[in-house]
Amino acid sequence: GQSLEQPSEVTAVEGAIVQINCTYQTSGFYGLSWYQQHDGGAPTFLSYNGLDGLEETGRFSSFLSRSDSYGYLLLQELQMKDSASYFCAVPNQAGTALIFGKGTTLSVSS
Amino acid sequence: EAGVAQSPRYKIIEKRQSVAFWCNPISGHATLYWYQQILGQGPKLLIQFQNNGVVDDSQLPKDRFSAERLKGVDSTLKIQPAKLEDSAVYLCASSLDHSGAGGELFFGEGSRLTVL
Repeated sequence: GQSLEQPSEVTAVEGAIVQINCTYQTSGFYGLSWYQQHDGGAPTFLSYNGLDGLEETGRFSSFLSRSDSYGYLLLQELQMKDSASYFCAVPNQAGTALIFGKGTTLSVSS
Repeated sequence: EAGVAQSPRYKIIEKRQSVAFWCNPISGHATLYWYQQILGQGPKLLIQFQNNGVVDDSQLPKDRFSAERLKGVDSTLKIQPAKLEDSAVYLCASSLDHSGAGGELFFGEGSRLTVL
């Protein structure tokens, strides 16, 4: 079945850069997605990597290496509002829905 | 554009009681999902609908959970009878098509269930 591993917690200071890694095991592969969830809020889509390489969206970038079954989310110029949980996700075996990792809690301090 | 609507936001019940959650997806979204999120964990897929048909309910504990999506729009998720371990946030999400190929999932704020 599908499984994902990501660190449970990461801490950083404002203005810093942080990288959240995600390794996965899947049968069949369609791509790696990242979602952000603030405390008590809804998960929101951040990025999707269907091919190897780096995708950049403003302060956030996401990377995928399919040969290594590995990806990461890179957050630059950290702000207090970036304190949240970040989830990597891969499609289920049928390729129709997302399976989420346990999440990484990012705490940004001043 | 209105987002995914869910109600109630909070519900407290005693074990063995029943509860129902309602979800209204984004207009035009054919696919609807119910996820369970236990505190400190990622969302876990319970059931997926495509229009009003079930695509995947392999993770739904069918002895106590049921879900329907009549007319391919709104959906309800029911738990009867509830157990302590059902305490979680129940997230509804929708997408234009299935999310497997990178399609974005739009989540509601969730319904937080506490079972005492």
